Amino acid sequence: DTAVSQTPKYLVTQMGNDKSIKCEQNLGHDTMYWYKQDSKKFLKIMFSYNNKELIINETVPNRFSPKSPDKAHLNLHINSLELGDSAVYFCASSRDGVWTGELFFGEGSRLTVL
Amino acid sequence: DAKTTQPPSMDCAEGRAANLPCNHSTISGNEYVYWYRQIHSQGPQYIIHGLKNNETNEMASLIITEDRKSSTLILPHATLRDTAVYYCIQVYPGGFKTIFGAGTRLFVKA
Repeated sequence: DTAVSQTPKYLVTQMGNDKSIKCEQNLGHDTMYWYKQDSKKFLKIMFSYNNKELIINETVPNRFSPKSPDKAHLNLHINSLELGDSAVYFCASSRDGVWTGELFFGEGSRLTVL
Repeated sequence: DAKTTQPPSMDCAEGRAANLPCNHSTISGNEYVYWYRQIHSQGPQYIIHGLKNNETNEMASLIITEDRKSSTLILPHATLRDTAVYYCIQVYPGGFKTIFGAGTRLFVKA
């Protein structure tokens, strides 16, 4: 069983569209994250949720809206997509904060905005 | 911005030890050092972490200097499958926020 799974793996869309990426973890972890990896391969945190509550929002534009319906899911919805949103988005989870354990990453969702 | 600095790339011969350095000169007393790697475009994978003492697990060893300003990840017998980008990160107090820098691209050559 995949510990952290993301769907879709690939997403190609036009500028201005709205899209969502889903993430699920079956590890029983309390904390989930969204990271963005751009073309230069820098991996930057976007959001962190702990027990369904938003803990970190790294000055991400309002067009990005995470939603955590329960501890096992953290979805990412993006409105009015822009060219600069093209990147690989990684979901991750950890048992508590990273302080107490390692991050488990999904395989990534590659978003291409045309 | 990432607080750690790593060389952009390194080469290693297959079967030899790969020693990957990391500087974290601003690390505070309660911050851990974590190492991850990313193979091709897969999700990053946890390797090891430490606070003060040297650590070893089935994947690697972590050597932390006494002043904690730098560390070295050691892959004792590198294989071709160890070719990846290796990230050294400081984990901030509170633990929810991590920043990954550019990492070191390790090439293991036959």
